[in-house]
Order: sequence, then C-alpha cells, then structure tokens
Amino acid sequence: GAVVSQHPSWVICKSGTSVKIECRSLDFQATTMFWYRQFPKQSLMLMATSNEGSKATYEQGVEKDKFLINHASLTLSTLTVTSAHPEDSSFYICSAREFRDANTGELFFGEGSRLTVL
Amino acid sequence: SQQGEEDPQALSIQEGENATMNCSYKTSINNLQWYRQNSGRGLVHLILIRSNEREKHSGRLRVTLDTSKKSSSLLITASRAADTASYFCATARYSSASKIIFGSGTRLSIRP
Repeated sequence: GAVVSQHPSWVICKSGTSVKIECRSLDFQATTMFWYRQFPKQSLMLMATSNEGSKATYEQGVEKDKFLINHASLTLSTLTVTSAHPEDSSFYICSAREFRDANTGELFFGEGSRLTVL
Repeated sequence: SQQGEEDPQALSIQEGENATMNCSYKTSINNLQWYRQNSGRGLVHLILIRSNEREKHSGRLRVTLDTSKKSSSLLITASRAADTASYFCATARYSSASKIIFGSGTRLSIRP
C-alpha cells in the first residue's frame, strides 16, 4: 500500500515553545490530508482536514491559531502546535488519501508523533 | 466528534477462537472501513465495505454492513496472538469535506 511518513515520531518540548510535525506521502500525491489526535486508550479525534493549496478546515472546538496546518505541496502537510502546554501532550497522527482514489475513502496513516510538553 | 460506537470496548479471547466486534453509526454513509492499530503505532487499513454491499471477506476477516440498522461487524476467524490490537471502524461521507470519522474502538487481546 501507499506509504505515509510522519516526523518526528516523538518529541519532548518545554511549555511555551512551538513544535512542528511533518506528514509526507512518499509514493503518491495527496490532495487531502487529515490530522488526528489520540489520547491514551481512546479513539482518533479528527482535528482538521488539510487541502493542498488552500486553508485547512478545522473541526469544531479545535483552535486554528493553536494548531497551524500548512499543505504547501501534494506530498507534504505540516502541523505546528504553537505555544505548547502540557494539555497539548498527545499522540498526533496524520493520514492521506490518494488523489486518484478520492472517492474510495481509504486512508494511509503515518506512524504518529508523540508529543510531550513539560 | 465521533461518528460511531463500538462494542465491546475490550475483548479477550483464546488463540484460535473467533473474535467479533460491532460498530454502530449515526448518519448515512458512503462506505465503512475497519482499521487496526497496534499500541503506539499508526493505523492500518483492513477492509472497506460500500453502502450497497452487505458482506465482504478478506482472508480471515469478514465484515458485514446493515445500513437499515446503521451497524457493521468485523469477524476475525481463527485468531492469533498477533491479532492483538485495537480495531476501529470508520465511516466516510462524501460531503465537500470527504472526511472519515472513527468509532470508539475495540481493544482485542488474544491469549496464547
């Protein structure tokens, strides 16, 4: 299947700093990428839909200024957690859908990034 | 917000037995998908069933879909220790967002 690379896989930062997480589709073009957040032993909560070349669409309750999403190319989307606080500590997972398969719905996931804010 | 609820939340069975997980959802869908997640890892797509399909097979996996009841089930036959993971159903609606929403998940443990 298609490969999605997410980096870094884990990061520890101090409160008040910003952290950027990258999501790359390695062997396909992804016009749409999704960012999810997952707390321990819970399901994935959709944060935002990232569309190449346009602004991201955020889910209700997700702060746009807190979680900055950029999808500058067909293979790269980034999530920046700005002014991180301990409550932002979580597992962040990106996923991508192939451009050609826009209607099949199958998502390919990165391995996730575990953020710990001290 | 989550679209679906899964039950059971946790399931522990003996290796070799069959495991059945259920998923219910709230709104109309275009397709329903099942994913697997090993602890601390990303998700792996298992199978997709479209709204006009009732049953689908893939290896040891069998998925059913009942759109009238807004429910789906995932059956894993002849379970193995390596099947230990969390399993999530996810629904897709082809609105302009075309987003996929995940259910609450079932944590499956296979006892050797």
